[in-house]
Amino acid sequence: AQSVSQHNHHVILSEAASLELGCNYSYGGTVNLFWYVQYPGQHLQLLLKYFSGDPLVKGIKGFEAEFIKSKFSFNLRKPSVQWSDTAEYFCAVNAAGTYKYIFGTGTRLKVLA
Amino acid sequence: SQTIHQWPATLVQPVGSPLSLECTVEGTSNPNLYWYRQAAGRGLQLLFYSVGIGQISSEVPQNLSASRPQDRQFILSSKKLLLSDSGFYLCAWSGLAEYEQYFGPGTRLTVT
Repeated sequence: AQSVSQHNHHVILSEAASLELGCNYSYGGTVNLFWYVQYPGQHLQLLLKYFSGDPLVKGIKGFEAEFIKSKFSFNLRKPSVQWSDTAEYFCAVNAAGTYKYIFGTGTRLKVLA
Repeated sequence: SQTIHQWPATLVQPVGSPLSLECTVEGTSNPNLYWYRQAAGRGLQLLFYSVGIGQISSEVPQNLSASRPQDRQFILSSKKLLLSDSGFYLCAWSGLAEYEQYFGPGTRLTVT
């Protein structure tokens, strides 16, 4: 069965620190990959996505993620976090050609000013 | 632009009572529609999805059901709520040619 693992459940960083959130999935076929973010009191929204092509994708607010097929990973990065990045981050996988999306358990990021 | 609505925003219901949560989408036609439940520390669990009117696929056997009576309306129901049905329910839509999902504001359900 497909699954998505986010190993970091809670992360606390100071402003200007670098961020990397891990995401690993289990599925042998072609996948579409997503990172979503939920800011306090707001809807879940798309941060970035990967369908094909360049495995390094850039999203909103300076975030980027790299798809490493051999490692079944899609880690999220940001070189310098801001207090406003405090949110919960979800990795999601869609098996290409299907309507099913599997979400990770989420990572709560707190950035200290 | 597209908008997704969910109501009610919060709901407190006794065990054994019925449930009806509604989701509507504006600004798009023939969307794929989804119901998720979000539990603390457990991420989002896909409950149902629909690719068209009257077409419902269930991902998790449980006490809930879904219906799509109109193209842009998706309803989550239960005949008799259980304590374990408490949670945060999210509706989402995606386009036919796209795979990213757009989420609604959610409904916080507490079963007492």
